[in-house]
Amino acid sequence: QVQLVQSGAEVKKPGSSVKVSCKSSGGTFISYAISWLRQAPGQGLEWMGGIIPILGTTNYAQKFQGRVTITADESTRTAYLELSSLRSEDTAVYYCARGGGFTLKGSSSFDYWGQGTVVIVSS
Amino acid sequence: QSVLTQPPSVSGAPGQRVTISCTGSSSNIGAGYNVHWYQQLPGTAPKLLIYDNSNRPSGVPDRFSGSKSGTSASLAITGLQAEDEADYYCQSYDSSLSGSVVFGGGTKVTVL
Repeated sequence: QVQLVQSGAEVKKPGSSVKVSCKSSGGTFISYAISWLRQAPGQGLEWMGGIIPILGTTNYAQKFQGRVTITADESTRTAYLELSSLRSEDTAVYYCARGGGFTLKGSSSFDYWGQGTVVIVSS
Repeated sequence: QSVLTQPPSVSGAPGQRVTISCTGSSSNIGAGYNVHWYQQLPGTAPKLLIYDNSNRPSGVPDRFSGSKSGTSASLAITGLQAEDEADYYCQSYDSSLSGSVVFGGGTKVTVL
């Protein structure tokens, strides 16, 4: 059974950066896309980007280009999200999820999710 | 403003059938891209409910079904139960803006 376990909550100052981790166990890590999504308080889901570890390729939502970096360490089966130049609007629960790779039929579904990491941006 | 449009809320009595629409455009659902659906209970991560328009993952009751036609997709819940009260999201791919995973704004299902 695939499990994704994320790092703990973070409180950050505006203008700083945050790095969230997502450790995978069970299943195959490197051949599936791992995506990062977020959900602001009371709002819907928003895809930020993803990585396919075996290829090292990344895709980012245009909204976050230049501010987000997604990486993966195959040896520890861990994916990372780094978001810079934080502002109050970045306060949200951040999720990693398996899936979201781009295919001929669009994007794959997200079949396994992490538990979520709360990031609060406040001065 | 979400790329995919869902009604903010739907409601039904226990045992009834409810449907949630997900309306897109020619650059996403209308282009033939797959639609996926998620259920999110309060305070928890979303759970995959329907993938590739109409397929249920193992363990999802057959009360949940999905369909797609033209630029829209739908999720139907038959035999509504109290435990179905949750937020539901549709997801697809949009080929504009360099390609992106897109979601509907979510629909709150209330069991009366």
